Amino acid sequence: KNEVEQSPQNLTAQEGEFITINCSYSVGISALHWLQQHPGGGIVSLFMLSSGKKKHGRLIATINIQEKHSSLHITASHPRDSAVYICAVSRPGNTPLVFGKGTRLSVIA
Amino acid sequence: DTEVTQTPKHLVMGMTNKKSLKCEQHMGHRAMYWYKQKAKKPPELMFVYSYEKLSINESVPSRFSPECPNSSLLNLHLHALQPEDSALYLCASSQDPTFLRAFFGQGTRLTVV
Repeated sequence: KNEVEQSPQNLTAQEGEFITINCSYSVGISALHWLQQHPGGGIVSLFMLSSGKKKHGRLIATINIQEKHSSLHITASHPRDSAVYICAVSRPGNTPLVFGKGTRLSVIA
Repeated sequence: DTEVTQTPKHLVMGMTNKKSLKCEQHMGHRAMYWYKQKAKKPPELMFVYSYEKLSINESVPSRFSPECPNSSLLNLHLHALQPEDSALYLCASSQDPTFLRAFFGQGTRLTVV
C-alpha cells in the first residue's frame, strides 16, 4: 500500500462544476503539499498545509490531521484547470517528499 | 524572484553523447534537488544537495553525475545514457533540506535515442 493515496485517479468535469480531489496518507507528516502539473510541464506548488484550511482564488485545501486526510477543492472549474494534481507529504526530519500518484483532471467546456 | 530555471527545456541525445542539464535559483535556497519523472508517474527523487554538498543519492546509476558549483546552481551531467532514461527531469529548491515549500522548475524533457 502506498504511503500517500489519491482519489480519483482520473476525473472529467464540465466547466463550472465543483471538484474535489482526495488524499489520504499513512505516515506521520510535518506538512502536506498540493502540487499542479500541466501536461509536459513543471510542477507548481499550490498549497502547503499542516492544519486547517487554506484558500487561494478558486482553490481550497483542507487537512484533517487526526483522520490523515486532505482534500483539494476547485470551485467554478475552468478548462485551464485541466492538469495533474499531486498530493505529497513531508515527513519529519530531512526525508524526501512522498508523492501520491496524482489525479488527472480534465475540465470540458 | 521565485523561480527555478532549468535549461534546456528539451534535449535529444544519442547514447554516446555527453550533455548537461542546468538548474538555477536566486531565492537563497540552500537545498536543491533533481527528480526524474516518467510519463503518468509521480516524480522520483534522484539527488539532494544541502549547503552545496551531496546529501542524498537515491542509488542513481553513475551515468548521471550531479554537480553543485555554488549555492545557486545545480547541474546534472549525462553520459552514456540508455533509451529508458528518457524522462522529464525536474529541479527543485527549498530554503533548507527539510523539503518544505519546494519550488520546482519547468523541467527538461530528455529523449535518448
